[in-house]
Amino acid sequence: GEDVEQSLFLSVREGDSSVINCTYTDSSSTYLYWYKQEPGAGLQLLTYIFSNMDMKQDQRLTVLLNKKDKHLSLRIADTQTGDSAIYFCAGVWNTGFQKLVFGTGTRLLVSP
Amino acid sequence: EPEVTQTPSHQVTQMGQEVILRCVPISNHLYFYWYRQILGQKVEFLVSFYNNEISEKSEIFDDQFSVERPDGSNFTLKIRSTKLEDSAMYFCASSEGGGPDTQYFGPGTRLTVL
Repeated sequence: GEDVEQSLFLSVREGDSSVINCTYTDSSSTYLYWYKQEPGAGLQLLTYIFSNMDMKQDQRLTVLLNKKDKHLSLRIADTQTGDSAIYFCAGVWNTGFQKLVFGTGTRLLVSP
Repeated sequence: EPEVTQTPSHQVTQMGQEVILRCVPISNHLYFYWYRQILGQKVEFLVSFYNNEISEKSEIFDDQFSVERPDGSNFTLKIRSTKLEDSAMYFCASSEGGGPDTQYFGPGTRLTVL
């Protein structure tokens, strides 16, 4: 079945760019999502990309998709302390279109 | 902005007791979901619900679990006889359409089974 993996932890300084990486196993058509979870809060959708796209930009967020390597990344430009949170990569595949499969989450710590 | 709400935020129960977790999805959404996250583990899909019936469920969603839309606004998850391993954060989500339509999540209910 589908599997999604992420690195567990990333630490950056305020003002730097952050790059959070994700890999997945199923190469069939898919939508891939990035969710953000702040302490005590739910999962907030940040952005998504469909598998026929290579890149999507939304203000400070850039999503890159490498379909050959099954690799997805989220770049946050000019990272702020308020960006400190857990970031989840997730996807739906056409084998189970209603089921989001999540990665482990990457804890981003932004220091002043 | 419309949002998914969940109650209670924290539920403590004794092993073997029944619990009902409640969710109010976004009002014009037609698809509803439950996920759970055991501490330190991935968020896992439990079930999806559309047109008053389960459309997909995972192997976790056994006979101990049931879902219901008792009225036009609430969506509930019932665990009939809780086990210690049911302790987790339970997230409700909803989407306007099915397929890959974006799922919007509630803040979660933390269930602790003693």
